[in-house]
Amino acid sequence: EPEVTQTPSHQVTQMGQEVILRCVPISNHLYFYWYRQILGQKVEFLVSFYNNEISEKSEIFDDQFSVERPDGSNFTLKIRSTKLEDSAMYFCASTEGSGYGYTFGSGTRLTVV
Amino acid sequence: GENVEQHPSTLSVQEGDSAVIKCTYSDSASNYFPWYKQELGKGPQLIIDIRSNVGEKKDQRIAVTLNKTAKHFSLHITETQPEDSAVYFCAAFLNSGYSTLTFGKGTMLLVSP
Repeated sequence: EPEVTQTPSHQVTQMGQEVILRCVPISNHLYFYWYRQILGQKVEFLVSFYNNEISEKSEIFDDQFSVERPDGSNFTLKIRSTKLEDSAMYFCASTEGSGYGYTFGSGTRLTVV
Repeated sequence: GENVEQHPSTLSVQEGDSAVIKCTYSDSASNYFPWYKQELGKGPQLIIDIRSNVGEKKDQRIAVTLNKTAKHFSLHITETQPEDSAVYFCAAFLNSGYSTLTFGKGTMLLVSP
């Protein structure tokens, strides 16, 4: 069964450093998403991406965050100048059409120290 | 925006019993309601979904019901097994403008042998 692949599975970074989280969506999917889950809390939407541009973003997704699809397979989330409160699980997801049938990756656990 | 409430936050049952998890949503325009199972250290996995033109859907031991008038939907698991133990999330999808998933806070289901 097709999978969404995320790397790394765990990233530890110093406060103030930049991190890049990587995702390989399912190959025939057109919509890509980043969600995050702070420990013990609900999964929250960050951003959606379609046709090489951001289609929607939440209040969480401020200037500290950016996304990119640098080639035909990867989809990245960059967090500049990380803060302690950025510590969370970050999930990438993709869909073939808008919104239905999300497939989530296994996540990247980001720990900011 | 959409708001999804989920109850209970934890649910303990004996193997073989049934488990019911309930969610309510706020935006009557939401039209797609998936349920996800999340095991420790993994991403959410879609287990069943329902669209707003259907009142009930069943897949083996799992069923979902939707009451559009009351704006609530429920997950029913029959003949529970220890491997059903996980966190279950409901979500609502509003295919209009902000076309992303809004998640409930999750229910930790514990099935005791």
